[in-house]
Amino acid sequence: DAMVIQNPRYQVTQFGKPVTLSCSQTLNHNVMYWYQQKSSQAPKLLFHYYDKDFNNEADTPDNFQSRRPNTSFCFLDIRSPGLGDAAMYLCATSRIRAGGSHDEQYFGPGTRLTVT
Amino acid sequence: QKEVEQNSGPLSVPEGAIASLNCTYSDRGSQSFFWYRQYSGKSPELIMFIYSNGDKEDGRFTAQLNKASQYVSLLIRDSQPSDSATYLCAVKLRVSGGSNYKLTFGKGTLLTVNP
Repeated sequence: DAMVIQNPRYQVTQFGKPVTLSCSQTLNHNVMYWYQQKSSQAPKLLFHYYDKDFNNEADTPDNFQSRRPNTSFCFLDIRSPGLGDAAMYLCATSRIRAGGSHDEQYFGPGTRLTVT
Repeated sequence: QKEVEQNSGPLSVPEGAIASLNCTYSDRGSQSFFWYRQYSGKSPELIMFIYSNGDKEDGRFTAQLNKASQYVSLLIRDSQPSDSATYLCAVKLRVSGGSNYKLTFGKGTLLTVNP
């Protein structure tokens, strides 16, 4: 089945120790998104890739970076995790329609990040 | 002003009843509207989307959109305990000056269906 996969599902890192979260998709969607979701809050968009074009949200801290080496994979790098970065990180994908609008977004299972 | 607002709940309904979830949005340029279901500790799952004014039905779910009132709702008929989850309303908006779109989520409404 076509799907969005995230690894690992659970990640524990130490304060200040860089961590990378992975997302892959078999949907062949050209847009990939990274969201941060804290308990009882809405998912917050960090950035997205439209093909290779990177789009950063204005309020995304510099501590968060992303890479998309090919259509299928996208990575979220947290350079120096702080305690406040503990959250669920969600990857989502969508497809660009003819005419330019985006299809609906499909989410992966998420990675729960704990910072100790 | 918050962009997408939902009553956080919890909304509690008995099994078999109709659950009504509501969402308002601030930007009249919003083009598409989505309802996601999120179980505790899980990722959001798309259950409905609607683009045009009126009603859209899919099984036990009906989405209703009123662009003039900037209001979108989700009705769940014959509610089941397995429907107990947080329901997120999301609104798609074109990012100004570009061809990119952004999905803005409400905080969600926690629905509990009691057996």
